[in-house]
Amino acid sequence: QKEVEQNSGPLSVPEGAIASLNCTYSDRGSQSFFWYRQYSGKSPELIMSIYSNGDKEDGRFTAQLNKASQYVSLLIRDSQPSDSATYLCAAPRTGGYNKLIFGAGTRLAVHP
Amino acid sequence: DTGVSQNPRHKITKRGQNVTFRCDPISEHNRLYWYRQTLGQGPEFLTYFQNEAQLEKSRLLSDRFSAERPKGSFSTLEIQRTEQGDSAMYLCASSLAFGQARYEQYFGPGTRLTVT
Repeated sequence: QKEVEQNSGPLSVPEGAIASLNCTYSDRGSQSFFWYRQYSGKSPELIMSIYSNGDKEDGRFTAQLNKASQYVSLLIRDSQPSDSATYLCAAPRTGGYNKLIFGAGTRLAVHP
Repeated sequence: DTGVSQNPRHKITKRGQNVTFRCDPISEHNRLYWYRQTLGQGPEFLTYFQNEAQLEKSRLLSDRFSAERPKGSFSTLEIQRTEQGDSAMYLCASSLAFGQARYEQYFGPGTRLTVT
């Protein structure tokens, strides 16, 4: 079992819809989780961090964390074509120096 | 705050040559990480510095790889005797050392290495 798992996609949604991206993790000791957005050929950009159970909202983005189920999600409301990218879920490995363990990413395509 | 910078942005080299990459972290960040990313995968951890001390190295980092961070500022990653399997995007990230924000890593633009 991979430490951080994501569906590779592509996830295709129409413009204006809600895109839902999911991530599961195996390390029950993980306390913090991150979503990065990566455009093709570019480096990852941190867009959301979440540290406690529940929802965290930032503009059109909502991160959801359920530690009991070891599940993290990212919702993108009012999806725009400019949201088309790969979304990476990451968590720091416990017991180390906070190196991030990444999922392979979910490719999102928002079509007009 | 100019963000994390990396140079060069692209490097094409022949197998067997040595290459060196540079990373300048965000100025107030004293934690610095190197990752490697290949197509279709998430970044994989290579090594970590706190100030000038290299505190962790991945098993991915063979003897051909060496990293330094003199004076706790910029860092260099050198690959000796490059192999085609070294072709990847090499990413540098930095973070603060204290507080909740120490977990938040910010990436530079990366150096794309192609070994022919």
